[in-house]
Amino acid sequence: SAVISQKPSRDICQRGTSLTIQCQVDSQVTMMFWYRQQPGQSLTLIATANQGSEATYESGFVIDKFPISRPNLTFSTLTVSNMSPEDSSIYLCSVEGPGVGNTIYFGEGSWLTVV
Amino acid sequence: TQLLEQSPQFLSIQEGENLTVYCNSSSVFSSLQWYRQEPGEGPVLLVTVVTGGEVKKLKRLTFQFGDARKDSSLHITAAQTGDTGLYLCAGDRGNTGKLIFGQGTTLQVKP
Repeated sequence: SAVISQKPSRDICQRGTSLTIQCQVDSQVTMMFWYRQQPGQSLTLIATANQGSEATYESGFVIDKFPISRPNLTFSTLTVSNMSPEDSSIYLCSVEGPGVGNTIYFGEGSWLTVV
Repeated sequence: TQLLEQSPQFLSIQEGENLTVYCNSSSVFSSLQWYRQEPGEGPVLLVTVVTGGEVKKLKRLTFQFGDARKDSSLHITAAQTGDTGLYLCAGDRGNTGKLIFGQGTTLQVKP
């Protein structure tokens, strides 16, 4: 399986500030995604991080709020901008890894609490 | 509208009992994956199923993909306290790698 490292693992943020989450993979991957998991909820896809081009956002998510970078095939960042308490969630990086079909592996997540 | 309906959402059983978790949809999936998540951690992949009617076993866990690739089940035999956690099913509709998740099943196994 792919080894995915996320930083920070958890943080407490002041409302109105922005925080950038980093995702590092131990091998080159084509597909990289960012998900959000709100407290007590399941996971929702935010966007696909495309290498060399703008990210593709899902309905309900916009680039101004969640800018994403993907400078190469092993690294991506997600910024949560102008945070409010409603942004308190676990943010998860995921990649396609070895296995049948499109097997997707997840990082350990970045747990953000906005106060 | 939830595209992937997972049930039950909560399950509390005694150690040694059997249980089944279901994921159902009206959509066809190219693949379906099951994850287990512990509090404060990311989901850990248990299995990926891709062929209609496929059955995969992982020790005491049995996973089945429906013939029409619209539903799946996870059966745990003789549950243990270590099985406690959140179980998530997630489907990919078009080999995109983009997953649609069910609501999750919180399993508590009591000693």
